[in-house]
Amino acid sequence: AQSVTQLDSHVSVSEGTPVLLRCNYSSSYSPSLFWYVQHPNKGLQLLLKYTSAATLVKGINGFEAEFKKSETSFHLTKPSAHMSDAAEYFCVVSHLNDYKLSFGAGTTVTVRA
Amino acid sequence: DAGVTQSPTHLIKTRGQQVTLRCSPKSGHDTVSWYQQALGQGPQFIFQYYEEEERQRGNFPDRFSGHQFPNYSSELNVNALLLGDSALYLCASRPDRNYNEQFFGPGTRLTVL
Repeated sequence: AQSVTQLDSHVSVSEGTPVLLRCNYSSSYSPSLFWYVQHPNKGLQLLLKYTSAATLVKGINGFEAEFKKSETSFHLTKPSAHMSDAAEYFCVVSHLNDYKLSFGAGTTVTVRA
Repeated sequence: DAGVTQSPTHLIKTRGQQVTLRCSPKSGHDTVSWYQQALGQGPQFIFQYYEEEERQRGNFPDRFSGHQFPNYSSELNVNALLLGDSALYLCASRPDRNYNEQFFGPGTRLTVL
């Protein structure tokens, strides 16, 4: 079975400061890992993905994540938060022998001016 | 390319009724998955269709059924609606040969009264 745990249900940051969203995964096989963002009343947008290539993955809008197998983690970071980053973020796991995506519970990011 | 499209955008039904939601996949995608996202939670996998057959199913009752057409579009049907079926229903599509290129539609917001 595979699952993800997002360690923070809510993160609040000031504009221009770094953002860190934490995710731990559990998978019996080599996983593929993703971060998706969901803005209010919008669908899910893929930020970045890890698929067994480079462990440091760069995504859109300045986000990046590092796959650490020893820690079973896939934390998402951004050096400088923007007001438009306020949204819900989901860490997601899948693997080759399973067709579905398994989502974490989500982290709500608020950005203070 | 229109991406993944879903209809309708919003829907209001009463308990016991039946509902049909529709999804058109992104051009070139032949695999369609459906997810249920309850308020404040991450999306949960309902089922996936490929070659007009249900390939994998999540932990949802038989009241949830689906169909895929020769043009790869898909329907999600829910019978005997319960209040707890109120949620955002998301459709995702990908090419069968690529597990890591999954795109989501904007969703259908179903409210059951």
